[in-house]
Amino acid sequence: TQLLEQSPQFLSIQEGENLTVYCNSSSVFSSLQWYRQEPGEGPVLLVTVVTGGEVKKLKRLTFQFGDARKDSSLHITAAQPGDTGLYLCAGVLSVASGYALNFGKGTSLLVTP
Amino acid sequence: DTEVTQTPKHLVMGMTNKKSLKCEQHMGHRAMYWYKQKAKKPPELMFVYSYEKLSINESVPSRFSPECPNSSLLNLHLHALQPEDSALYLCASSQLPGHGQFFGPGTRLTVL
Repeated sequence: TQLLEQSPQFLSIQEGENLTVYCNSSSVFSSLQWYRQEPGEGPVLLVTVVTGGEVKKLKRLTFQFGDARKDSSLHITAAQPGDTGLYLCAGVLSVASGYALNFGKGTSLLVTP
Repeated sequence: DTEVTQTPKHLVMGMTNKKSLKCEQHMGHRAMYWYKQKAKKPPELMFVYSYEKLSINESVPSRFSPECPNSSLLNLHLHALQPEDSALYLCASSQLPGHGQFFGPGTRLTVL
């Protein structure tokens, strides 16, 4: 079941531009994680946000968790070619048998020099 | 050591073969996961092990059989797979269930 909707699905920008990726759901999550994946490799954890309204910064990346813990955004300032990759948001749900991670479909970002 | 390792990196097998995928982590994480990822799709959760016990099985066909021999190792035994099972199989671990996950590089599986 796809609980998380990511937008845009694809994004092609030039170096130096800013961009925002959105991750939306009608479900409330215990926490939400953002990953970046490059072709042929496993996803790499960028950040975990836990508290509603939380904002975390990782160099040029700013992550925000919605107040109701249903949505999140990733903003990249002055994008660089090294930012190219698939950005995945993943919501953590508490289920009877433990915790399940539900991935969005991803945003494929291409940054050209 | 902050790495999750997976072997083999690539695997080609016939539909009658039996093979195993291996995953290892030495970060002291108590949760380990198997995912299946098809091209241009997000990872799909297959199994979750928490404290070496299977806690989540996402209705995966019985031709996939997970095993957790100890807290550092996770195996995925494959038998009588179908061509549609061809995918990237990712292993991940986290300190505790629900925490941020560290992924291995994956095993690229092709079923002929």
